[in-house]
Amino acid sequence: SSELTQDPAVSVALGQTVRITCQGDSLRSYYASWYQQKPGQAPVLVIYGKNNRPSGIPDRFSGSSSGNTASLTITGAQAEDEADYYCNSRDSSGCVVFGGGTKLTVL
Amino acid sequence: QVQLVESGGGLVKPGGSLRLSCAASGFTFSDYYMSWIRQAPGKGLEWVSYISSSSSYTNYADSVKGRFTISRDNAKNSLYLQMNSLRAEDTAVYYCARVSVAAGMYYFDYWGQGTLVTVSS
Repeated sequence: SSELTQDPAVSVALGQTVRITCQGDSLRSYYASWYQQKPGQAPVLVIYGKNNRPSGIPDRFSGSSSGNTASLTITGAQAEDEADYYCNSRDSSGCVVFGGGTKLTVL
Repeated sequence: QVQLVESGGGLVKPGGSLRLSCAASGFTFSDYYMSWIRQAPGKGLEWVSYISSSSSYTNYADSVKGRFTISRDNAKNSLYLQMNSLRAEDTAVYYCARVSVAAGMYYFDYWGQGTLVTVSS
């Protein structure tokens, strides 16, 4: 199955914009989805499809894609956005793959 | 509201078996694919398996193929994972998740709180 690569850690100053990336060949064919996970909690879907937010997800979260790279952008990061973020996609056989995760620190 | 509640986790010896269950409510269970995803302690998410709405199609990660079996009972709004020949590396929190599809892509829009499986002698 395909692999998805994420930076292990990213930091952002409070109120600034941060981009978290996810790279993999499968992203040339399929959109990534993005999940936020806070310590001790289950993951929460934040972005799916081209750039769709589930109900209740703030509009400071957005998604984009170019070539083999998908990005999650948080515009005006808040303290409560500090969490682990995971991307996921699928391969041609229908298997699902997750990225290794990015730990976001809000300074 | 959508609720997914896992059960059945626990301590099991290597080579042993365990059956996880997930009780779903708040949506038409029979309309959705469902999936199991796991997370080893301190590690990232790993997809395990999914099953189609009518049980006609299943898919598994290579790491569990031949050892784990996913199934569902739409009359009981329940999802299951039969885990056999368990190994230490199967130790993880196992999440049940609802699968939605957009543009050929599977995404997980609701998750349970997880159940811990520990494989140790």
